[in-house]
Amino acid sequence: DSGVTQTPKHLITATGQRVTLRCSPRSGDLSVYWYQQSLDQGLQFLIQYYNGEERAKGNILERFSAQQFPDLHSELNLSSLELGDSALYFCASSGGNVATGELFFGEGSRLTVL
Amino acid sequence: DAKTTQPPSMDCAEGRAANLPCNHSTISGNEYVYWYRQIHSQGPQYIIHGLKNNETNEMASLIITEDRKSSTLILPHATLRDTAVYYCIVRVFGSARQLTFGSGTQLTVLP
Repeated sequence: DSGVTQTPKHLITATGQRVTLRCSPRSGDLSVYWYQQSLDQGLQFLIQYYNGEERAKGNILERFSAQQFPDLHSELNLSSLELGDSALYFCASSGGNVATGELFFGEGSRLTVL
Repeated sequence: DAKTTQPPSMDCAEGRAANLPCNHSTISGNEYVYWYRQIHSQGPQYIIHGLKNNETNEMASLIITEDRKSSTLILPHATLRDTAVYYCIVRVFGSARQLTFGSGTQLTVLP
């Protein structure tokens, strides 16, 4: 158990819809990272938040957005969903009391767009 | 972060040592070598990291060459549960930047 909690674990929705994925980081971790992993793709970095502020942005589509709340949990919002958005979405956290550069990943949210 | 090169796949017999190589010839002096693995569709899991000395923990050993241009992750007694994609990543110690994952090595442990 990494200490990172993601909900929901599975989500099935239709094209054009909007979904929200939630992530609770490890206790004390200030950074939250979102990654996407499609069936035939590697782990693609989407976005990072640090203590509520956006820190880095990767290959995140304009239809996607994220935020980190004062309690440090984060949400990834995916809108106008397309078939190609079907993927595993992972959240990771880091930066607790001992910053060693390790990221701790949750078990992911599997999104299926029909 | 420096680029790494890993073989796409490897097999290993159960109970034998699995040796996973990684080339990182452009590694900088302040960059560490980190290893992660991803068991099928699970979240990536941290294994070990090191700078220049050999490191060992309960999961694995990490051997880094003297010139630091390559390293080997050793799973001393591989089990079927070690079947996973293994990623070698170099990054500055303590960096809060994201991890950049390459293709990794698919290790298959055979019964």
